[in-house]
Amino acid sequence: DVKVTQSSRYLVKRTGEKVFLECVQDMDHENMFWYRQDPGLGLRLIYFSYDVKMKEKGDIPEGYSVSREKKERFSLILESASTNQTSMYLCASRLAGSHGTQYFGPGTRLLVL
Amino acid sequence: AQSVTQLGSHVSVSEGALVLLRCNYSSSVPPYLFWYVQYPNQGLQLLLKYTTGATLVKGINGFEAEFKKSETSFHLTKPSAHMSDAAEYFCAVSDRGNAGNMLTFGGGTRLMVKP
Repeated sequence: DVKVTQSSRYLVKRTGEKVFLECVQDMDHENMFWYRQDPGLGLRLIYFSYDVKMKEKGDIPEGYSVSREKKERFSLILESASTNQTSMYLCASRLAGSHGTQYFGPGTRLLVL
Repeated sequence: AQSVTQLGSHVSVSEGALVLLRCNYSSSVPPYLFWYVQYPNQGLQLLLKYTTGATLVKGINGFEAEFKKSETSFHLTKPSAHMSDAAEYFCAVSDRGNAGNMLTFGGGTRLMVKP
């Protein structure tokens, strides 16, 4: 069965802290994604990775960076957290060349105080 | 760029009533089309998708959606709502021929089911 896990379900951080969100998939998928989800805005793509050590900016990359050192793991980094980064963060993975079907993790709800 | 519009951020139906969630997209070329469901405190789960072939697509939990090219729509329906259908539903599209096959999501519709 397809499985995408995220390191934390809930996270509380202070403004200015460096925040790491981890995502792991066990499906040997090449592509991985980070989204943020906000009420009324749906999901917006932050960054994605086609394969190990590859990364591409999505629609809203400002204030974020990513790391993909291993195929199964994709990390989202908030270099200096701000209150406007309070949100739900969703990770997804996908088999390369598929018709776009992505498999999602349970999400991390981040609160920045 | 693609855009996806879901009409109605909140929809309320009675248990046993028809569920209709609307989705329209902007594209001159029919894209791949998806519906995802998000239950409380969970990630997104694929309900159904249209890539090619029959325009009426059946998914899990009794849901189905019909691709109508002339209306650029992909509305989601279920004949009889169940309490367990209460969730948020997202319509998404990705471009054909786009090597990236990026998903563009609508704003979501929260479905409430009244007993």
